[in-house]
Amino acid sequence: KNQVEQSPQSLIILEGKNCTLQCNYTVSPFSNLRWYKQDTGRGPVSLTIMTFSENTKSNGRYTATLDADTKQSSLHITASQLSDSASYICVVSDRGSTLGRLYFGRGTQLTVWP
Amino acid sequence: EADIYQTPRYLVIGTGKKITLECSQTMGHDKMYWYQQDPGMELHLIHYSYGVNSTEKGDLSSESTVSRIRTEHFPLTLESARPSHTSQYLCASSESGRGLLLDTQYFGPGTRLTVL
Repeated sequence: KNQVEQSPQSLIILEGKNCTLQCNYTVSPFSNLRWYKQDTGRGPVSLTIMTFSENTKSNGRYTATLDADTKQSSLHITASQLSDSASYICVVSDRGSTLGRLYFGRGTQLTVWP
Repeated sequence: EADIYQTPRYLVIGTGKKITLECSQTMGHDKMYWYQQDPGMELHLIHYSYGVNSTEKGDLSSESTVSRIRTEHFPLTLESARPSHTSQYLCASSESGRGLLLDTQYFGPGTRLTVL
């Protein structure tokens, strides 16, 4: 069964600290993996996207890594800011259908305290 | 910033009422989607469209219906709302093509629906 599991479910850190969020998936065949940021009451916004051949991708203070062999990805946030408080969702795409099926994780709820 | 809009943003309605959630995008995208999201849970695809006059049901069974008469407009209708329909509804769109183009979905802000 194709699944995306994220950990931790929630995380609280102090402003200025770094953190790492995890994503494990069983989706096959694999096409790409994307991290979204979803602010409360808003729709998800794409942060990074990685294909099979990419190991790391950065977007400002966000750095995503991908290990396609172990089917794991991480999102590292450096020097956290209050505005980083949001849900971070891992989304994996397969190429098993013409739709390009997306599998969503439940997200990690990050809270940054001053 | 994605040019995709949803109205209303919040809706509280009584059981049995008919409601329509609006979704519009100005990016000229052919593909549009409706997702349902409950707190702390993953997004579930309930409807999608490849283009005008094309609508398909998604993975999650839903009592809602959709229409796609215009490229930019993809409304979702509930004929008779029930408390079990209480949820957040997210609309998204993507460009035509394959691979990353198809998978890059732009989301609207969502409609938070509460059925009493």
